[in-house]
Amino acid sequence: GAVVSQHPSRVICKSGTSVKIECRSLDFQATTMFWYRQFPKQSLMLMATSNEGSKATYEQGVEKDKFLINHASLTLSTLTVTSAHPEDSSFYICSARDARGGQDTQYFGPGTRLTVL
Amino acid sequence: AQKITQTQPGMFVQEKEAVTLDCTYDTSDPSYGLFWYKQPSSGEMIFLIYQGSYDQQNATEGRYSLNFQKARKSANLVISASQLGDSAMYFCAMRVRNNNDMRFGAGTRLTVKP
Repeated sequence: GAVVSQHPSRVICKSGTSVKIECRSLDFQATTMFWYRQFPKQSLMLMATSNEGSKATYEQGVEKDKFLINHASLTLSTLTVTSAHPEDSSFYICSARDARGGQDTQYFGPGTRLTVL
Repeated sequence: AQKITQTQPGMFVQEKEAVTLDCTYDTSDPSYGLFWYKQPSSGEMIFLIYQGSYDQQNATEGRYSLNFQKARKSANLVISASQLGDSAMYFCAMRVRNNNDMRFGAGTRLTVKP
């Protein structure tokens, strides 16, 4: 199956600093990537949809200036959490849409656990 | 608006037995896709199975099968011959073709007993 990588897998940072998370589709080109956030024992909540070469579309309630998304190529999207605060601590998961063939499936990265001290 | 509902917060099954995880959905769009993902404690979302709204037959992938009942708007996941490694969170998800994003249910935690 398709592989999506995410880096780093775990990051601890101080409050006020910025953290960049990378999401890569390794064996297919993804015109669309997604960023999700998951709190403990909860479901995935879509934060934004990232389209290659254009601005990301953010879900209601997600601060676009705080969560900067860049989709510079067909295989790479980045999420930057700016001026991180303890409440930003969460599990962030990216996914890439694989529209090849008829399945139109989304594959997920392994996630990044962010802890803001 | 699209909505995905998983009403079972937790399920237990004996090893080697079959288990059904429930999922109902709601959408007014006739074209949609239904997905099941497994999330073990590591956090990774593992794709299990897909069912398109126009697919005539229920999807199957190894020990996983999707019991698709379109009129009832249900897409239950059946896991046959449960294994200890099946213990995980399971999420049902839907994407409407006109939209890009995928919406998830609340999830069901499956525990397989030895």
